[in-house]
Amino acid sequence: DIVMTQSPDSLAVSLGERATINCKSSQSVFYSSHNQNYLAWYQQKPGQPPKLLIYWASTRESGVPDRFSGSGSGTDFTLTISSLQAEDVAVYYCHQYYTTPHTFGQGTKLEIK
Amino acid sequence: EVQLIESGGALVMPGGSLRLSCAASGFTFSNAWMSWVRQAPGKGLEWVVRIKSKTDNGTIDYAAPVKGRFTISRDDSKNILYLQLNSLKTEDTAVYYCTTEGRSIPAAVFDSWGQGTLVTVSS
Repeated sequence: DIVMTQSPDSLAVSLGERATINCKSSQSVFYSSHNQNYLAWYQQKPGQPPKLLIYWASTRESGVPDRFSGSGSGTDFTLTISSLQAEDVAVYYCHQYYTTPHTFGQGTKLEIK
Repeated sequence: EVQLIESGGALVMPGGSLRLSCAASGFTFSNAWMSWVRQAPGKGLEWVVRIKSKTDNGTIDYAAPVKGRFTISRDDSKNILYLQLNSLKTEDTAVYYCTTEGRSIPAAVFDSWGQGTLVTVSS
């Protein structure tokens, strides 16, 4: 199974500041024949199901604010929130869909400093 | 509007059984790959099982912890996804989410989610 490891486990950032969450996979999730990284990011607010933010490592889902961006390739990925808003308080998960079993990172809890 | 409504969660004793349902609407269910993803209380997300559309042979993939105990099925005439949970263990306690997989985008990501149904396994 591909193990996904996020860092940090929790993060406190001031409003308007940048937040950065990292995700590392135990093997590459880059599919060369498709030239794509099979990596997604989700946001989960308390009491709600997760919400897809980004797929193909850097493609924003429709309706997701452009302050959210994804980057990285191979085994190392980053989710960046360029200017933290109060509504961004949540737990964030990375997810590899390169192969089954699908696997997720352990989550990063983002709070306001 | 896509809707996924799970039901069937309950308190059940270890070794017991339960059937979860997910009623889907707002999209062509028969064409959709569907998955169950669970989340133990206060924990992270764990993929459980996927069933592809019949046009993709209805292929089923299970996570190792549930293989041989859980069974996924679908009724495309009723737009309902099922998950039969047998030989339940305390570690199966979780909110079970029904999700679409790559419904609206060409990627096997979980793009729509239900609100979840809670399964509690306890004596």
